[in-house]
Amino acid sequence: NAGVTQTPKFRVLKTGQSMTLLCAQDMNHEYMYWYRQDPGMGLRLIHYSVGEGTTAKGEVPDGYNVSRLKKQNFLLGLESAAPSQTSVYFCASSLGNIQYFGAGTRLSVL
Amino acid sequence: AQKITQTQPGMFVQEKEAVTLDCTYDTSDPSYGLFWYKQPSSGEMIFLIYQGSYDQQNATEGRYSLNFQKARKSANLVISASQLGDSAMYFCAMSYYNNNDMRFGAGTRLTVKP
Repeated sequence: NAGVTQTPKFRVLKTGQSMTLLCAQDMNHEYMYWYRQDPGMGLRLIHYSVGEGTTAKGEVPDGYNVSRLKKQNFLLGLESAAPSQTSVYFCASSLGNIQYFGAGTRLSVL
Repeated sequence: AQKITQTQPGMFVQEKEAVTLDCTYDTSDPSYGLFWYKQPSSGEMIFLIYQGSYDQQNATEGRYSLNFQKARKSANLVISASQLGDSAMYFCAMSYYNNNDMRFGAGTRLTVKP
């Protein structure tokens, strides 16, 4: 059971570079989410999706874009990375109330 | 937006003893769910337990129980018979029934002593 898979696991970017984080789930869940976790803080919701082709803003959406072209995939994009986006990024999916998380992506922006 | 407060940055407990991790929340909406997640040093987020705001009984899952006091707006996690593997960060979270915007507390780091 793969569950929620995030790629890559680690990435280092230079300021101004762009990148896309991929989240894939094999549980046929309708809802998917992207969070960031900074030191000393809980997770904060960036964007989420309630179904294929739909996305919505969360608590901290600025500087990020997302797409949900297929039900099983949820992409998080950084168009012009900034040092403030150095963080650990988590993807999650849910069918009902409970969210199931991927292992995380550690991103450093220099 | 809902606010989650975990006032204990760190907690210590002796192996085999019980420990309570505190969580309070602030909301005026009557329909919500409360969650606890465990984050070991490896980094993944592991779902532990869920409590709905209309549930009449406190949730239990194995050694985990949620002490839900709705009037006080608290949802404390109780871990019975602590094990060394329980050492981790623990996060309390909340979301409303009508949306998926989950908010997390800052977490409590639990250390189980042998």
